[in-house]
Amino acid sequence: QQQVKQSPQSLIVQKGGISIINCAYENTAFDYFPWYQQFPGKGPALLIAIRPDVSEKKEGRFTISFNKSAKQFSLHIMDSQPGDSATYFCAASITTSGSRLTFGEGTQLTVNP
Amino acid sequence: DTAVSQTPKYLVTQMGNDKSIKCEQNLGHDTMYWYKQDSKKFLKIMFSYNNKELIINETVPNRFSPKSPDKAHLNLHINSLELGDSAVYFCASSQVGAGYGYTFGSGTRLTVV
Repeated sequence: QQQVKQSPQSLIVQKGGISIINCAYENTAFDYFPWYQQFPGKGPALLIAIRPDVSEKKEGRFTISFNKSAKQFSLHIMDSQPGDSATYFCAASITTSGSRLTFGEGTQLTVNP
Repeated sequence: DTAVSQTPKYLVTQMGNDKSIKCEQNLGHDTMYWYKQDSKKFLKIMFSYNNKELIINETVPNRFSPKSPDKAHLNLHINSLELGDSAVYFCASSQVGAGYGYTFGSGTRLTVV
């Protein structure tokens, strides 16, 4: 059973555009929602994370929007750059019962120059 | 300094062989994990150890056996390798309850021929 659903599977954006990746979760006990970025041949790296007590978190060009009632959260990449081309994973965990992360299926982002 | 290091980076072996992948972290984290990433890039947890104690053991064939000699090391031994075991295996570590996310290694690409 997939507890975190991610869309789209792939995304192509022009340089300078906005990339938006969406995730939906089922388990209301989740209390930590990170996004990971993975380049080819590398392991996933933590990009940005949010807890459900806030609706938005911004770090540079990356913003997480969180909608607790809809059980959805999304990653916005402003002014997308070719160097942002990578696979992005959303994830969720219940921190009080260990830090086990459940990942979404991943989104392959391509930013064209 | 590499935070989570895995060896080897590539492993090509024949069906039926036994192989091991080693992982070490120098972050002082108390929990380590093994994840499998399939050809569609889906990340699925296999095992988790907290201070050398097995805390997560997903539905994984018993040909896979993790071993944690101390909290900085988590190795994965695979017996009687099968074609379907071909994947990228990632080691990761975290501090339970801190909600700081995982730090992943760079992965071991296992190819069974």
